[in-house]
Amino acid sequence: NAGVTQTPKFRILKIGQSMTLQCAQDMNHNYMYWYRQDPGMGLKLIYYSVGAGITDKGEVPNGYNVSRSTTEDFPLRLELAAPSQTSVYFCASKPGESFTDTQYFGPGTRLTVL
Amino acid sequence: KQEVTQIPAALSVPEGENLVLNCSFTDSAIYNLQWFRQDPGKGLTSLLLIQSSQREQTSGRLNASLDKSSGRSTLYIAASQPGDSATYLCAVFDSGAGSYQLTFGKGTKLSVIP
Repeated sequence: NAGVTQTPKFRILKIGQSMTLQCAQDMNHNYMYWYRQDPGMGLKLIYYSVGAGITDKGEVPNGYNVSRSTTEDFPLRLELAAPSQTSVYFCASKPGESFTDTQYFGPGTRLTVL
Repeated sequence: KQEVTQIPAALSVPEGENLVLNCSFTDSAIYNLQWFRQDPGKGLTSLLLIQSSQREQTSGRLNASLDKSSGRSTLYIAASQPGDSATYLCAVFDSGAGSYQLTFGKGTKLSVIP
């Protein structure tokens, strides 16, 4: 299993540009998450999904959109990029709603908005 | 709103020393507490998950304890090795924000000196 994969690894955007961060998992997990991590800070939840077709906002959703058309994929869309969105973005997944399940993380996408 | 604090922010120890990392949280109504390891430029790896009904979990040289009533957890690393150098993140899983989610601390950066 590849686990959780994210593309691209690095990206530089200009202010006002848009892009999609890709996330895929091959573990047949129902739950998927997007986090951002600013320097010296903990991770903050942007959006999450409990299954195909179901998404919900986390703590910091403004400026982002998500969709979940399949179990495997959970892309994160940035519209009108702003310098405040410079961060490292992590995708994660877990099997289901059990409180004994841990989350599996991808390697991250480092985004810089200039 | 749940807040997670980790002390110290950074720690440097000589190889072979035993050490303790601390984590505190403000709302004791949690479902579980997790410790993650983050290596530079990489994603998070789950180390230990303690359910709310448990007091501790052990994996190899790692032991994590949970005192839910006082809002504290510790991660004990025995006989530290240079390979243990990484950032250690504590996170609690609760529903205080209206959805089931992890709230992360800022992490403790550990350096083990050979």
